[in-house]
Amino acid sequence: NAGVMQNPRHLVRRRGQEARLRCSPMKGHSHVYWYRQLPEEGLKFMVYLQKENIIDESGMPKERFSAEFPKEGPSILRIQQVVRGDSAAYFCASSPPGTSVSPLHFGNGTRLTVT
Amino acid sequence: AQSVTQLGSHVSVSEGALVLLRCNYSSSVPPYLFWYVQYPNQGLQLLLKYTTGATLVKGINGFEAEFKKSETSFHLTKPSAHMSDAAEYFCAVSDLQAGTALIFGKGTTLSVSS
Repeated sequence: NAGVMQNPRHLVRRRGQEARLRCSPMKGHSHVYWYRQLPEEGLKFMVYLQKENIIDESGMPKERFSAEFPKEGPSILRIQQVVRGDSAAYFCASSPPGTSVSPLHFGNGTRLTVT
Repeated sequence: AQSVTQLGSHVSVSEGALVLLRCNYSSSVPPYLFWYVQYPNQGLQLLLKYTTGATLVKGINGFEAEFKKSETSFHLTKPSAHMSDAAEYFCAVSDLQAGTALIFGKGTTLSVSS
């Protein structure tokens, strides 16, 4: 049973380019979460999605960042016109549907470097 | 709003010594609490969780944590450190009544020397 799959593992972009990060949740999971990790800052929540719906985007920057989780295919975190400050590790996590408490299952992350 | 404070960004112990990683939380409702471990260049792996019931929770790799409501703490311990325990450890809190995601502390890096 494959875990949460993120690709690419490493992504290098020049300032002003677009970055697209992909996340395929664990089989049977319908909830996806994106986190950003910076050194000495831990993981910062960005957005929580269910299929075709954004549930909570309170951690997303107001500009240049967007996320989607379509009916078919992986969840995508898109960063437009990247700047050096966007360099970080971006982690995706998933959990199964339902109201009971479920821990998050994390992917291995995408490390974005903006040059 | 919920928050998590991990006291000590770096902890160093000798192999065989007690491991104690501190976590205090703030939550307006009964919290769900988690400890995760992250090895270099990997994602986070669940060590243990507290939801309801017994306040002493046992996890993988010999770790355990005790929920103390009066102290708003959820410290992680292991009686005897192993070299393979060297990693970064994150405490997290969740208020699933609000339908929000986990809120993480800033992490504690554990170093184990021989």
